[in-house]
Amino acid sequence: AQSVTQLDSQVPVFEEAPVELRCNYSSSVSVYLFWYVQYPNQGLQLLLKYLSGSTLVKGINGFEAEFNKSQTSFHLRKPSVHISDTAEYFCAVSDPRAAGNKLTFGGGTRVLVKP
Amino acid sequence: NAGVMQNPRHLVRRRGQEARLRCSPMKGHSHVYWYRQLPEEGLKFMVYLQKENIIDESGMPKERFSAEFPKEGPSILRIQQVVRGDSAAYFCASSPIAGEAGELFFGEGSRLTVL
Repeated sequence: AQSVTQLDSQVPVFEEAPVELRCNYSSSVSVYLFWYVQYPNQGLQLLLKYLSGSTLVKGINGFEAEFNKSQTSFHLRKPSVHISDTAEYFCAVSDPRAAGNKLTFGGGTRVLVKP
Repeated sequence: NAGVMQNPRHLVRRRGQEARLRCSPMKGHSHVYWYRQLPEEGLKFMVYLQKENIIDESGMPKERFSAEFPKEGPSILRIQQVVRGDSAAYFCASSPIAGEAGELFFGEGSRLTVL
């Protein structure tokens, strides 16, 4: 079984400042890792994912994340945020051996970008 | 291309009534997943279905909840005799048969309020 911990439930940040959202996971096997974003009253959209290869993954909207196997982390970063980045961000894992694309999500981090 | 369609978007039920939530996956997708998001919490996996088959229902409560994905028509999540604790947002996601790992496409959710 896997579990995902997002250490910060809320992150306030000023516009054009950098932001880092922390994600740690627990699993006895190798996993795939994902970040999803949820804008208010909407469904989730995939930001980026790590399956294998380079540990630095670039996604949409200027986001990137780095997989650190030794620390079992997959932190999300953006060097300069916009007001439109205000949303909730979810880290998730899946088991490559399992049938389908079942995801285990963290509790989410709300990002509030202030002008 | 229409995305994942969920209806109703909002549903209000009194305790003891039944709730039926519908999900039409994206065109060409034959795998459907249901997730529940309780207030201030992350998404919890409920069930994974393919056409006419339940593949993984490990997240479904043992009583009152059922899901189906018939050969024709949308997937249905049914909650019998609703209680206040069932109040949540229910998200459906879909993926194609041979989709890339993690490529889940989410609907905008159905928000159930139990009075």
